[in-house]
Amino acid sequence: DAGVTQSPTHLIKTRGQQVTLRCSPISGHKSVSWYQQVLGQGPQFIFQYYEKEERGRGNFPDRFSARQFPNYSSELNVNALLLGDSALYLCASSLSGTGLYGYTFGSGTRLTVV
Amino acid sequence: KNEVEQSPQNLTAQEGEFITINCSYSVGISALHWLQQHPGGGIVSLFMLSSGKKKHGRLIATINIQEKHSSLHITASHPRDSAVYICAVRDTDKLIFGTGTRLQVFP
Repeated sequence: DAGVTQSPTHLIKTRGQQVTLRCSPISGHKSVSWYQQVLGQGPQFIFQYYEKEERGRGNFPDRFSARQFPNYSSELNVNALLLGDSALYLCASSLSGTGLYGYTFGSGTRLTVV
Repeated sequence: KNEVEQSPQNLTAQEGEFITINCSYSVGISALHWLQQHPGGGIVSLFMLSSGKKKHGRLIATINIQEKHSSLHITASHPRDSAVYICAVRDTDKLIFGTGTRLQVFP
């Protein structure tokens, strides 16, 4: 059974551009969460989606948006990229919206903004 | 002050040594997770616990809810244990992460 898959694995963008990151959860998992990990720090919560609805949002500007599709896959969009958006973006899937049964993480998308 | 604090930040050990990584948190939680992150970035879940103690192979995790403290122990450490170990607490709909402990085990 496939784990959590994220694409692309690496990405280089220029300041001001827009980027879309994708995540496919484990089959049967209905919740997807997005985290941003800046080098040397722990991941920071961006969004959680459960059953296609936003369940939680972290302290990130409106340039960050996300959605979840009927097949429970998810996209994270970042507009007007800044140098500070350079980070590893992690997706975590879980069976429930509360994470009661734990989380499975993808390998991440490393975004570099130049 | 961070809501989740880990110590030490960096740890170097010789193969075979007993390792302890500590985690303290200041928020109410429903569960605590120990995670392992390798240089490529992917995160592997090691333990999820809300009370007591769990053991998996050479890894042991304990939690004291009253003291808001958890420890991860590695017995008979091995170079392949070299990684960043991250403590995260579950707060309703999200995980709050510590900054991680970078462990290097030398042969």
